[in-house]
Amino acid sequence: GENVEQHPSTLSVQEGDSAVIKCTYSDSASNYFPWYKQELGKRPQLIIDIRSNVGEKKDQRIAVTLNKTAKHFSLHITETQPEDSAVYFCAAGPGGAQKLVFGQGTRLTINP
Amino acid sequence: SAVISQKPSRDICQRGTSLTIQCQVDSQVTMMFWYRQQPGQSLTLIATANQGSEATYESGFVIDKFPISRPNLTFSTLTVSNMSPEDSSIYLCSVEGTGAYNEQFFGPGTRLTVL
Repeated sequence: GENVEQHPSTLSVQEGDSAVIKCTYSDSASNYFPWYKQELGKRPQLIIDIRSNVGEKKDQRIAVTLNKTAKHFSLHITETQPEDSAVYFCAAGPGGAQKLVFGQGTRLTINP
Repeated sequence: SAVISQKPSRDICQRGTSLTIQCQVDSQVTMMFWYRQQPGQSLTLIATANQGSEATYESGFVIDKFPISRPNLTFSTLTVSNMSPEDSSIYLCSVEGTGAYNEQFFGPGTRLTVL
């Protein structure tokens, strides 16, 4: 089955700097790669996703890149702000209404 | 995206008892998913609940421990049976979105503490 590895487990950056979180997956059949942000005591919220027919996707300050050959994808957050502090999870799945396998999570702290 | 609610939001239970968690969606969805998030950990899929058929359980989860009902396209329940302290977790349901990617959106979760 699918296995998703996420790094780093914790990340601390200065406000205004960029943050990068990386994930690798094992199943070449995976086709859909979402990223979720979970604030303390809240539900995971989908912030961006990418499908395997696309190499990069941007939405304002966040972007996701995908290298399907190497089976890795990354989340990039630019111009970080204190409200970006949260736990971020990557996930992988075959796409469609199918199950997702989640990475271990990255606790991102933005220092003012 | 769909509005998803869960009941109860939290509960404290005694070991050996059972708790049923409800997930309600404001629109019809084919697939609903139940996840467990142990303290400080990631999300692990328990089972997929498809209306009109038996739930599909992931490795390590069994129907006797986590029976699931899916009586219609807007509702599902997960029961945590014969609880032990190791079952203390957040239990979340998720549903597919209506967009082209069938994104998954999560309910607010049920925080369960077993004493």
